Amino acid sequence: DVKVTQSSRYLVKRTGEKVFLECVQDMDHENMFWYRQDPGLGLRLIYFSYDVKMKEKGDIPEGYSVSREKKERFSLILESASTNQTSMYLCASSLTGFHQPQHFGDGTRLSIL
Amino acid sequence: DQQVKQNSPSLSVQEGRISILNCDYTNSMFDYFLWYKKYPAEGPTFLISISSIKDKNEDGRFTVFLNKSAKHLSLHIVPSQPGDSAVYFCAASGDRDSNYQLIWGAGTKLIIKP
Repeated sequence: DVKVTQSSRYLVKRTGEKVFLECVQDMDHENMFWYRQDPGLGLRLIYFSYDVKMKEKGDIPEGYSVSREKKERFSLILESASTNQTSMYLCASSLTGFHQPQHFGDGTRLSIL
Repeated sequence: DQQVKQNSPSLSVQEGRISILNCDYTNSMFDYFLWYKKYPAEGPTFLISISSIKDKNEDGRFTVFLNKSAKHLSLHIVPSQPGDSAVYFCAASGDRDSNYQLIWGAGTKLIIKP
């Protein structure tokens, strides 16, 4: 079974802090994704990566950056946290190519005070 | 502008009956559709998918129907069980300009009543 592990289940940070969310997958998947989930909005893609050191913007990249130095690890960075970034953050991975199901971690509930 | 819409935020069904979850899309370039299930405090898990070359795909109690002319798909769960209580997300892909992206609906919360 694919295992996608997110480093924290719950995180509380202050406005203006730099925040790191870490994600690791153990199935040698090429693609990795960061989403945020908000009530009534479904999942919105922040960034994705299809290879080491490669990244592509999703629908809502503003205020975020990502890092993928190793194939199994994909980090999401909030450069200067703001209260509107309070959300559930979900990491996913998949094999390359179209029509590959994405496998998700359990999410990080981030609160920015 | 939501390209994938799940118009029912919630649905309540008696245990043992059929649950029908609906999803509409606007982009005719979508050619692959997926359903995910999400329990509280867990990530979504892949449930079932369908390619646009088919109009039906079945996996045990779960069947997905696709009506391309109406740009509509539905997920049928028969019979519904208490463990099916979860949020169900519909997602679509296939627009090559979007690379590997999935476009997600807002989700429908299914409640199975004993």
